[in-house]
Amino acid sequence: GAVVSQHPSRVICKSGTSVKIECRSLDFQATTMFWYRQFPKQSLMLMATSNEGSKATYEQGVEKDKFLINHASLTLSTLTVTSAHPEDSSFYICSATGTVSTDTQYFGPGTRLTVL
Amino acid sequence: KQEVTQIPAALSVPEGENLVLNCSFTDSAIYNLQWFRQDPGKGLTSLLLIQSSQREQTSGRLNASLDKSSGRSTLYIAASQPGDSATYLCAVNLGTYKYIFGTGTRLKVLA
Repeated sequence: GAVVSQHPSRVICKSGTSVKIECRSLDFQATTMFWYRQFPKQSLMLMATSNEGSKATYEQGVEKDKFLINHASLTLSTLTVTSAHPEDSSFYICSATGTVSTDTQYFGPGTRLTVL
Repeated sequence: KQEVTQIPAALSVPEGENLVLNCSFTDSAIYNLQWFRQDPGKGLTSLLLIQSSQREQTSGRLNASLDKSSGRSTLYIAASQPGDSATYLCAVNLGTYKYIFGTGTRLKVLA
C-alpha cells in the first residue's frame, strides 16, 4: 500500500513551453502533497507544500508564478512549469501524506525534465 | 535554520564489509528522522523511520540509531552487497510534515 505515481517519468520540451507533471496517490487519500526538485548529485530541495483544496505554500526562493501547483482532489496534485527554460531542467519528485500515515511521506518515482 | 549534513559524501567498499553512514543535524527539535535509498534516476525508497523518542530501528541488515541531543544519526549496513550500491539520504521531519534532506552518501559496493 501507500503508492504514489508520477506522470510522465521523462519529458523533453522546448524552451518557452509549459510542462505539466502529475502526482497521484493510488491507494490512499493524500491530504498533503509536496514537490521537490533535485539537481544532479545534489539532495532534494522542497519547493512547495499543498493541501487539498487550498493554495500551495512555496518555499523561499521558489517562484509561485513559474511553478504552478494544483491540488484539486485527495488523490491528485499537478505541477506546471510555465515558460520553461534550460535552467529548469531537473528531477522533480512529489510525495504525499494522508490517511495511511501522518508520520512519513510516500514518494513518487520522479519526473526527469529536460528543457532544450 | 535546520541543516542536515551527511558524511562521507561518497564511499566505495568491497563486498562483505560492514559500514556506517553518518547524518548530523543542527536543531535537535525534530519529530522523526528517516533514512532513504535512491537508485540513479529513481525516486526514494524508505529504509528506516526513527521517532524522536526512539534510539534505534532495525530492518534486516540495516540498523539506524538516533542521538537527538547530539544531533546525530547513523545507518549501519552489515555484510554489504553490490545491490546495496545507491545514494543514501537521511531526512529530518520537523513535525509539520516538512522534511529537510541531507546531502546524501553515494555508496558503491564492489563485487
